[in-house]
Amino acid sequence: DQQVKQNSPSLSVQEGRISILNCDYTNSMFDYFLWYKKYPAEGPTFLISISSIKDKNEDGRFTVFLNKSAKHLSLHIVPSQPGDSAVYFCAASRMKTSYDKVIFGPGTSLSVIP
Amino acid sequence: GAVVSQHPSRVICKSGTSVKIECRSLDFQATTMFWYRQFPKQSLMLMATSNEGSKATYEQGVEKDKFLINHASLTLSTLTVTSAHPEDSSFYICSARDWGYEQYFGPGTRLTVT
Repeated sequence: DQQVKQNSPSLSVQEGRISILNCDYTNSMFDYFLWYKKYPAEGPTFLISISSIKDKNEDGRFTVFLNKSAKHLSLHIVPSQPGDSAVYFCAASRMKTSYDKVIFGPGTSLSVIP
Repeated sequence: GAVVSQHPSRVICKSGTSVKIECRSLDFQATTMFWYRQFPKQSLMLMATSNEGSKATYEQGVEKDKFLINHASLTLSTLTVTSAHPEDSSFYICSARDWGYEQYFGPGTRLTVT
């Protein structure tokens, strides 16, 4: 049973517009969420995170929104740039200890069209 | 900061041989390291979690005798694929975490078994 879901396997957005990547989770014990970006044949790169005590975290062009009641989070990229084209993984964890594993979603492939 | 390296980046080996992949945290001490496998166009599959000085915890379905993990120090973990088969060909990625909650990923190792 997938605990972290990204229901859109792919997304295409025009350069300069907003990209919205969605993620849903099922385990209410998760209280820390992360987004990673991955290019082919490279390791994922950490982008932004949010803890469950917040509902929004912003870092430059990237904003993550968390709706705990809906068990839903989203990553907004604005404005989108061609270099943002990559696979984006949503991930969830518990802040109990650093030993807790992070559960990754299946990823969404974003294409930003020039 | 938070750089994780992997060596080698690519390796080709013959069926039946063993290959070792190293994962190092270069500028921080990793209390926990994770090993993932990624098949083409699929998500990251967690194979095992290792804490320094203790035995690795393997995910269900991962053969611990085939994928030997050693976390000998706070900066080094190794994954040894024993008696490699062509089905073991994949992209192996490690990640490391200190006392925080983000994981920092290595660049990955492409294993090809002929």
